[in-house]
Formats: sequence, C-alpha cells, structure tokens
Amino acid sequence: QSALTQPASVSGSPGQSITISCTGTSSDVGSYNLVSWYQQHPGKAPKLIIYEGSKRPSGVSNRFSGSKSGNTASLTISGLQAEDEADYSCCSYAGNSIWVFGGGTKLTVL
Amino acid sequence: QVQLQESGPGLVKPSETLSLTCAVSGYSISSGYYWGWIRQPPGKGLEWIGNFYQSGSTYYNPSLKSRVTISGDTSNNQFSLNLSSVTAADTAVYYCARLPVSGFDYWGQGTLVTVSS
Repeated sequence: QSALTQPASVSGSPGQSITISCTGTSSDVGSYNLVSWYQQHPGKAPKLIIYEGSKRPSGVSNRFSGSKSGNTASLTISGLQAEDEADYSCCSYAGNSIWVFGGGTKLTVL
Repeated sequence: QVQLQESGPGLVKPSETLSLTCAVSGYSISSGYYWGWIRQPPGKGLEWIGNFYQSGSTYYNPSLKSRVTISGDTSNNQFSLNLSSVTAADTAVYYCARLPVSGFDYWGQGTLVTVSS
C-alpha cells in the first residue's frame, strides 16, 4: 500500500485561502468517503480537523473544509491565520481494515 | 475526557523488540472503537502501523505485518505494540490513537524510540 501523495509545501498570506491536495488511487481515496485530515504543530501530536471527507469535529473552526473529486481529496483553509502554520496530513481507508497516510504538507503563512 | 499515554523504552538495540504500551483513561477500550498505533520518523510523514479492536481482532500495515503484534489488556484498559527485529529505520515518534469510524480523534502525546547500539 503506497502513501497518499501530498505537496511538500504550500504557502499563503493572512486572510487568503489555500488548498492542499491528497492524491490516492481507486483503491483508497476513490473508493471510500473515509478521508481524514490532521493538523500538527512542531513537537505536538496530530489533531483531527476533518473526518469522513468533509465533516468537522466539534471545536474545529469552519475555516477548515474538506472535499473529494475522484481519487483526490482536498483540504481548504480560508481566512488564513498565523496560527494555521503547521504540517497537514491526510489519511484514507484503503479496504481490508487498512489505513494509509499522506506524506504531509508544510503550510507557511507569509 | 479521553486521554491516551504511551510508555516504554526510549532506546532499543538493533535486532531487538520494541515494546510500547498505551494507557487509556476516560473511555473503556472494551466499549468499542478501534485503537491504533501510528509512527513518525524524524522529519517525515505519519505511518499507520496497525489497529486493535475490542473483540481482539487486529489489523496491520502489510509492510510491517511480519514484525508487528498489537494486543489489548481490557482489565487495565490499555493496549500494546511489539515490533520485532528493529533497525535504525524504525526510529520514530510512536503515537497511539483512537479510531471511531473515520479519523483518529484522540492521540497520545507520542514517545520517541531510537534504535541504536
């Protein structure tokens, strides 16, 4: 099972919107609506920000949104803030009780 | 409030077995959900290692399956990871986490395990 593909880095200015892609295959992202996204600040544990492709856990800002088209899932952060600077990782169910993560994307707020 | 806490040796010698335990509070692991181990090598992305379910069923990353064992201890509300024949490539921060359906919603703080002689 190969890791999902994410861009190594993205950047944006405060107030802007950015989108991070997460590309898998028809065996994982394309087959299931079970993609989750995680925010991770340096030295900290990942934090769940999106599950089931587009749902937000309680307490997560509505500036975070998720979507999917074909084999690619996307995370959009609107109204970028300095505190959003972090690493973001996607994860998808891949069938047979197997899960696969993406390589992670470093978001820089300029 | 659900809390998870990893514990175990921070240094393991090559070819030996890495053993970690995840103590869970605020929720009984026998009440449901999957419980997983995820690792992150220094400067790299997250890697799913495997999951444990309340029934005792276990599911492993195919790339690690031959070396991994995950087990649960419902009496102490904890679950464990054993990874055998470790090499330097197994050096990573190891996390335990809860998986309801989709999305690991509660995570431990992580524990760094270094493989070195």
